[in-house]
Amino acid sequence: AQKITQTQPGMFVQEKEAVTLDCTYDTSDQSYGLFWYKQPSSGEMIFLIYQGSYDEQNATEGRYSLNFQKARKSANLVISASQLGDSAMYFCAMRGYGGSQGNLIFGKGTKLSVKP
Amino acid sequence: EAQVTQNPRYLITVTGKKLTVTCSQNMNHEYMSWYRQDPGLGLRQIYYSMNVEVTDKGDVPEGYKVSRKEKRNFPLILESPSPNQTSLYFCASSLARVGYEQYFGPGTRLTVT
Repeated sequence: AQKITQTQPGMFVQEKEAVTLDCTYDTSDQSYGLFWYKQPSSGEMIFLIYQGSYDEQNATEGRYSLNFQKARKSANLVISASQLGDSAMYFCAMRGYGGSQGNLIFGKGTKLSVKP
Repeated sequence: EAQVTQNPRYLITVTGKKLTVTCSQNMNHEYMSWYRQDPGLGLRQIYYSMNVEVTDKGDVPEGYKVSRKEKRNFPLILESPSPNQTSLYFCASSLARVGYEQYFGPGTRLTVT
């Protein structure tokens, strides 16, 4: 069975500092994708970044980067130079491309609060 | 503008009164899905559809029905809502089942009393 674990229910970070949100996963699929979504207090789900299991380089999108360590089955999100608008819930998700049928599985989320 | 729309955005109803939450996408996506979000549980998949007339159960399908008669629409039906279905519901779509990000609708906050 597939599983996503986010061990940090809540985190605080000072504005302009970097922060790492942890995500570990478990899957029996050889090929899979890892996603991070942001959910601000307004409720919408915003796609941030994607990493494929066979991608050799870590994904980056602006201030977001994904620290992918395949052997450790971790896919941590790094936000550089935090901004007040980064305060939100963050969800790690995975989609397997083999026997797991390809559905998106989510972690329980991490609530990030950015302090001025 | 490429988007997924859901209606209504907010709904308060009573136990047993049938309701439908509509979902529509304008991106010609094949794959559509419904999720519910509850505090401390993250998002859990209710049903998904890989194309017209092809639907299947997700992780928490009990008490829900779906249909996919047109590619763009994927309504969620609660035949007899109960208070434990009070939740935030998201519809999502993607170009295919694998390899592509899912685009989410704005969410529907449902309260069943």
